Amino acid sequence: SQKIEQNSEALNIQEGKTATLTCNYTNYSPAYLQWYRQDPGRGPVFLLLIRENEKEKRKERLKVTFDTTLKQSLFHITASQPADSATYLCALDTDKLIFGTGTRLQVFP
Amino acid sequence: DGGITQSPKYLFRKEGQNVTLSCEQNLNHDAMYWYRQDPGQGLRLIYYSQIVNDFQKGDIAEGYSVSREKKESFPLTVTSAQKNPTAFYLCASRIQGADTEAFFGQGTRLTVV
Repeated sequence: SQKIEQNSEALNIQEGKTATLTCNYTNYSPAYLQWYRQDPGRGPVFLLLIRENEKEKRKERLKVTFDTTLKQSLFHITASQPADSATYLCALDTDKLIFGTGTRLQVFP
Repeated sequence: DGGITQSPKYLFRKEGQNVTLSCEQNLNHDAMYWYRQDPGQGLRLIYYSQIVNDFQKGDIAEGYSVSREKKESFPLTVTSAQKNPTAFYLCASRIQGADTEAFFGQGTRLTVV
């Protein structure tokens, strides 16, 4: 069956450290992969999109990698801040968006 | 302001009743989506539409129905056949096709009592 898994239900890190979130998928061959941020009780907000021919994409303190051989994407937040605390969702992008289970990130001072 | 609007934000219904959730967008997007989110979980796709008068089932379409009579509107009906309708429902839209970001509404929290 088709599955999208994101690492651990929750990730707790100290302010200033780099947070690394993982998205693994099976039985898909997406040409694109997206990452979203979701705050409690709100709809997700788009962060980054990466294409299969791009190994890495950056936006300010965010970095995404996409390895189609490993079927994995890594999402990094450098110099993390308490304001980065939220749930982060990866989404495989075909003719529809298929979301992973999400990872809840908590950044503490 | 352009955007995607879901209404109402909170909805209470008695068991056995059908209920329709509204989703309207003025972004001129062709594609629209409905997702369901349960506590502590990701988004599961219910239905999606790529163009007016056409829509496809997602992974959990049973007990739900949709229509796409206008480009701007994609209402979702939760029928009495849906076994566990209490959830947070999210609507999204984007320009046709892949490789584009999706814009989400603020969600509707449906509680069936």
